[in-house]
Amino acid sequence: DSGVTQTPKHLITATGQRVTLRCSPRSGDLSVYWYQQSLDQGLQFLIQYYNGEERAKGNILERFSAQQFPDLHSELNLSSLELGDSALYFCASSAGTRHTGELFFGEGSRLTVL
Amino acid sequence: DQQVKQNSPSLSVQEGRISILNCDYTNSMFDYFLWYKKYPAEGPTFLISISSIKDKNEDGRFTVFLNKSAKHLSLHIVPSQPGDSAVYFCAASAAWRGTGANNLFFGTGTRLTVIP
Repeated sequence: DSGVTQTPKHLITATGQRVTLRCSPRSGDLSVYWYQQSLDQGLQFLIQYYNGEERAKGNILERFSAQQFPDLHSELNLSSLELGDSALYFCASSAGTRHTGELFFGEGSRLTVL
Repeated sequence: DQQVKQNSPSLSVQEGRISILNCDYTNSMFDYFLWYKKYPAEGPTFLISISSIKDKNEDGRFTVFLNKSAKHLSLHIVPSQPGDSAVYFCAASAAWRGTGANNLFFGTGTRLTVIP
């Protein structure tokens, strides 16, 4: 158990819809990261928050947005969903103080867009 | 543009033999390199890392080698065990020191199967 909690674990929705994925980081971790893993792809970095502020942005579509709340949990909002958005979405956290690259991942949220 | 590449999607090894997983990268600014292991229906878990100032790091059966001139790293598992069967992701970190940012770039993974 990494200590990172993601909900929901599975989500099936239709094209054009909007969904919200939730992540609770490990206790004490200030940084939250979102990654997308599509079929046969590596983990693509989407966005990072550190103590409530956006810190780094990767290949995140404009239809996607995220935020980190004062209690440090984070939400990833995906809107105007397309078939190609079907993927595993991972949240990860780190303390943000040791720059070694080690992240702790949740079990992921599997999104299926029909 | 894939900055971290794992060119072998799969690898099969007999139990007790050595498993060698390879990874190449393009960005010379990476300062930490990591290997993550992923079982089905679970998130990736950290396995071992190496700083760019070193060329080898060993932890039990796992050893990571870094060749900076070739921009290449490898993970050696010896002896391989059936429980090692998983997908292994190579990752590289370009940390922005003092900012708390810690951006990891992942390869596409290599599925290791250890045959009993």
